[in-house]
Amino acid sequence: SQQGEEDPQALSIQEGENATMNCSYKTSINNLQWYRQNSGRGLVHLILIRSNEREKHSGRLRVTLDTSKKSSSLLITASRAADTASYFCATGSRGSNYKLTFGKGTLLTVNP
Amino acid sequence: DTAVSQTPKYLVTQMGNDKSIKCEQNLGHDTMYWYKQDSKKFLKIMFSYNNKELIINETVPNRFSPKSPDKAHLNLHINSLELGDSAVYFCASSQLGDSYEQYFGPGTRLTVT
Repeated sequence: SQQGEEDPQALSIQEGENATMNCSYKTSINNLQWYRQNSGRGLVHLILIRSNEREKHSGRLRVTLDTSKKSSSLLITASRAADTASYFCATGSRGSNYKLTFGKGTLLTVNP
Repeated sequence: DTAVSQTPKYLVTQMGNDKSIKCEQNLGHDTMYWYKQDSKKFLKIMFSYNNKELIINETVPNRFSPKSPDKAHLNLHINSLELGDSAVYFCASSQLGDSYEQYFGPGTRLTVT
């Protein structure tokens, strides 16, 4: 069953602006990950945040996690045209049968 | 060096045929996966193998049969292809455990006519 739900489904901004994407999920998680997918390509891992963490940074990326609200956000600062892609959140389940459940993604378009 | 590779990249075939997609990873990972991404970009796990053993099978029709000859390879064989099987299939790999990122292949776009 689908776990993550990204919001918005599509986002169009100008270069230099910040982009914020949100993800909500339904069940308990061990971690939450964000991936990027360029058109016609495979997914690329961006950042992983564990359930006991609240915020994590990686370059121009900032991820927050609120387990009480079962939600996460991905902020891309000072966006570039090359950031144009689909962004997916994925939740990791507990236990030995590790599985990632993906949301439907946010299509980000950064206009030059 | 390609970390996770898949062949072929494109596959066009007719209903009823049998086809295979191959996947190889050179990352030394123990766990490999197959995902299906539909036309709306929804990505759903199909199978997961750890060290050649099946650990996840997400109620996929038994026309789909994964095979792992060794832990670096996970192939997907599909029998009696149907129109609804048209999608992009992604292979991925990771270390075993709850908190590791997955590395994805470039995908195989399967079109069934």
